[in-house]
Amino acid sequence: AQKITQTQPGMFVQEKEAVTLDCTYDTSDPSYGLFWYKQPSSGEMIFLIYQGSYDQQNATEGRYSLNFQKARKSANLVISASQLGDSAMYFCAMREDAGKSTFGDGTTLTVKP
Amino acid sequence: EAQVTQNPRYLITVTGKKLTVTCSQNMNHEYMSWYRQDPGLGLRQIYYSMNVEVTDKGDVPEGYKVSRKEKRNFPLILESPSPNQTSLYFCASSRLAGGAPDTQYFGPGTRLTVL
Repeated sequence: AQKITQTQPGMFVQEKEAVTLDCTYDTSDPSYGLFWYKQPSSGEMIFLIYQGSYDQQNATEGRYSLNFQKARKSANLVISASQLGDSAMYFCAMREDAGKSTFGDGTTLTVKP
Repeated sequence: EAQVTQNPRYLITVTGKKLTVTCSQNMNHEYMSWYRQDPGLGLRQIYYSMNVEVTDKGDVPEGYKVSRKEKRNFPLILESPSPNQTSLYFCASSRLAGGAPDTQYFGPGTRLTVL
């Protein structure tokens, strides 16, 4: 069975600094996708970044990068140059190629001015 | 504008009264999925669909039904709602790239209360 673990319920970061949000996963499937989403207090789910299990390079999208370590089954999100608007809940998720999807319990990030 | 729409956005109902939450996407995505989110928790998958007429159970399918008669629509049906189905519901869609779903776009959410 799939499992996503986010061990940091809450994180604080100073504005303009970088922060890493941890995510480990467990699956027996050789082919899967890993995702990070942002959920601000308004409630919508915003896609941030995607990494396929066979991708050789770490995914990057603007200030977001995914540190993918397949052997360790980790997919940490790195946010560079944090902004006040980055304060939100962040979810790591995994999806099998067949379509089944699992989310972690989330990390609340607070950016301090 | 590319989007996933859900209706209604808010609904208060009573136990046992059948209801349908609609979901529609305009991006021609093959993959669609329903999730529920309860306070302090991540999203849990209810049902998903890889294409028209193909649906599968997620982790929490009990008490829900879905159908996928058209590519753009994926309604969630609660035949006999109960208070433990009070939750925030999200619909999502994505394309299939090389057979696998990738970037997933979410609807705005439907907040359901069952009294």
